[in-house]
Amino acid sequence: NAGVMQNPRHLVRRRGQEARLRCSPMKGHSHVYWYRQLPEEGLKFMVYLQKENIIDESGMPKERFSAEFPKEGPSILRIQQVVRGDSAAYFCASSPSDRDRGYTFGSGTRLTVV
Amino acid sequence: SQKIEQNSEALNIQEGKTATLTCNYTNYSPAYLQWYRQDPGRGPVFLLLIRENEKEKRKERLKVTFDTTLKQSLFHITASQPADSATYLCALDRKAAGNKLTFGGGTRVLVKP
Repeated sequence: NAGVMQNPRHLVRRRGQEARLRCSPMKGHSHVYWYRQLPEEGLKFMVYLQKENIIDESGMPKERFSAEFPKEGPSILRIQQVVRGDSAAYFCASSPSDRDRGYTFGSGTRLTVV
Repeated sequence: SQKIEQNSEALNIQEGKTATLTCNYTNYSPAYLQWYRQDPGRGPVFLLLIRENEKEKRKERLKVTFDTTLKQSLFHITASQPADSATYLCALDRKAAGNKLTFGGGTRVLVKP
């Protein structure tokens, strides 16, 4: 039973390009979350999705960032026109509907903007 | 404003001793409090969950307490080993926020042989 799969593990983008980060949740998990972690800092919530629905996007910057979790396929976090400040580790997590199971995290995508 | 505070200073401890970490929160009414372990370059790993109506939870060498009056959780690693060296994160949900978790900044633990 594969865990949460994120790809790519490392992504280098030039300023102004687009970054697409993918996350496949654990089998049987219907909730997906994206977090951002800057070096030496904690995990900052970005967005919470269920299939075809954004439940909470209160942590997403208003511009350039978007997320989706389509009926088929992985969840995508998309960052348009990247800037150096977007460089960070982006973690995806999934959980079942049952709230007392905890999250399962992926290994993260490390985005570097040059 | 809502805050989750963990000791940002690293905890250095001798192998075999008990490590105790603190998580304090303000302006939350969590239904659950969770603890995670994170190793460098890796995603966090779920360790334990404790509900608001539970005082204590144990799992092998780990023990978590939850005091909703003090708004504090303590996380204990007994008989610590060098392999326990990592950053430990506490996380809270909010009853009105569904499954969403908010994380503290984490405490780094270094167990010396």
